[in-house]
Amino acid sequence: NAGVTQTPKFRILKIGQSMTLQCTQDMNHNYMYWYRQDPGMGLKLIYYSVGAGITDKGEVPNGYNVSRSTTEDFPLRLELAAPSQTSVYFCASSYSGLHGVGTDTQYFGPGTRLTVL
Amino acid sequence: GQQVMQIPQYQHVQEGEDFTTYCNSSTTLSNIQWYKQRPGGHPVFLIQLVKSGEVKKQKRLTFQFGEAKKNSSLHITATQTTDVGTYFCAGLGTGNQFYFGTGTSLTVIP
Repeated sequence: NAGVTQTPKFRILKIGQSMTLQCTQDMNHNYMYWYRQDPGMGLKLIYYSVGAGITDKGEVPNGYNVSRSTTEDFPLRLELAAPSQTSVYFCASSYSGLHGVGTDTQYFGPGTRLTVL
Repeated sequence: GQQVMQIPQYQHVQEGEDFTTYCNSSTTLSNIQWYKQRPGGHPVFLIQLVKSGEVKKQKRLTFQFGEAKKNSSLHITATQTTDVGTYFCAGLGTGNQFYFGTGTSLTVIP
């Protein structure tokens, strides 16, 4: 199993450009998450999904969109990139949330380092 | 909004010394998870605690969840150079939101 894979690894965007960060998991996990990690900081939840066709906002959803058309894929869309979105983006997945979102082991991808200039 | 703070932010220890990081939430958490992130890497799950007052051990690591489910601690006995990294707590808080702590960066001096 590859686990959680993310593409691209690095990307530089100009202000106002758009892009999609890809995330795929091959563990048949129901839950998937997108986090951002600013330098020297903890992770903040952007969006999460409890299954195909179901998504919900996390702590910092503004400026982002997601979709979950299959169990395996959970892409994150940035429509109008801003310098404040410069960060490392991590995708994660878990089999379930026994007591709610984030209550099962989360497996993280390697991250995408995004710079907006 | 809800905050999950960790202290200290940084800790340097001599190899063989003990290390403790404390996690404090502004509101009650349903659970506590601990993750370790090596420099340049991604978070790796260590453990989850769910019950009030719960204590779990993994070899040299001891994890504790407070009675009020608002705080937690991670204690490492006799640190090794392989323990280097940033340790994060995380948990499900109010509004069905999942929060990560601010992290404690551990440096182990050989």
